[in-house]
Amino acid sequence: NAGVTQTPKFRVLKTGQSMTLLCAQDMNHEYMYWYRQDPGMGLRLIHYSVGEGTTAKGEVPDGYNVSRLKKQNFLLGLESAAPSQTSVYFCASSWDSSGANVLTFGAGSRLTVL
Amino acid sequence: GQNIDQPTEMTATEGAIVQINCTYQTSGFNGLFWYQQHAGEAPTFLSYNVLDGLEEKGRFSSFLSRSKGYSYLLLKELQMKDSASYLCAVMDSNYQLIWGAGTKLIIKP
Repeated sequence: NAGVTQTPKFRVLKTGQSMTLLCAQDMNHEYMYWYRQDPGMGLRLIHYSVGEGTTAKGEVPDGYNVSRLKKQNFLLGLESAAPSQTSVYFCASSWDSSGANVLTFGAGSRLTVL
Repeated sequence: GQNIDQPTEMTATEGAIVQINCTYQTSGFNGLFWYQQHAGEAPTFLSYNVLDGLEEKGRFSSFLSRSKGYSYLLLKELQMKDSASYLCAVMDSNYQLIWGAGTKLIIKP
């Protein structure tokens, strides 16, 4: 049981380049999330999905797009990367959004934008 | 605005007890979570509190006071493997998680 798998684990981009981060979960979770983690700050929600074919904006959505064409996959795209997007990105999934909502995280993707 | 405060870093000795505090100001409350994150790894769930009081789970306990907007994570019989960051997160009235910046716990022999 792999849980939540993110690819790639590391990537270096030049300003203006585009890329896609892939998140896959095998737990049949309805909810999926993309967070970024920066030094000295809490995890910040970029986008999330409440089910196949749905997406919604989180706290810091600008500069990112997402898609959830299949229930098990949640893609995060950067159309034109900027140095401010240098961060560690975490994908997470959960059964629902109720109070006892425990998130399962992927191992993270470290992105550097030069 | 919504805010979660926790100390940036703490140091403790192997075998001892440490308490990591978390205070919060959020729009509503639907539960408080503690996650553990080892360096370079994913956060993993430790505990969930929604009612006032203490929840005990082995060497780890978590306490909540909703009236004070306060929680703590208590780690007993510290082991070197407990060296990690501990993240406090509160679920607000919209069921959105608000995360603290985390407390880096350093365990010394």
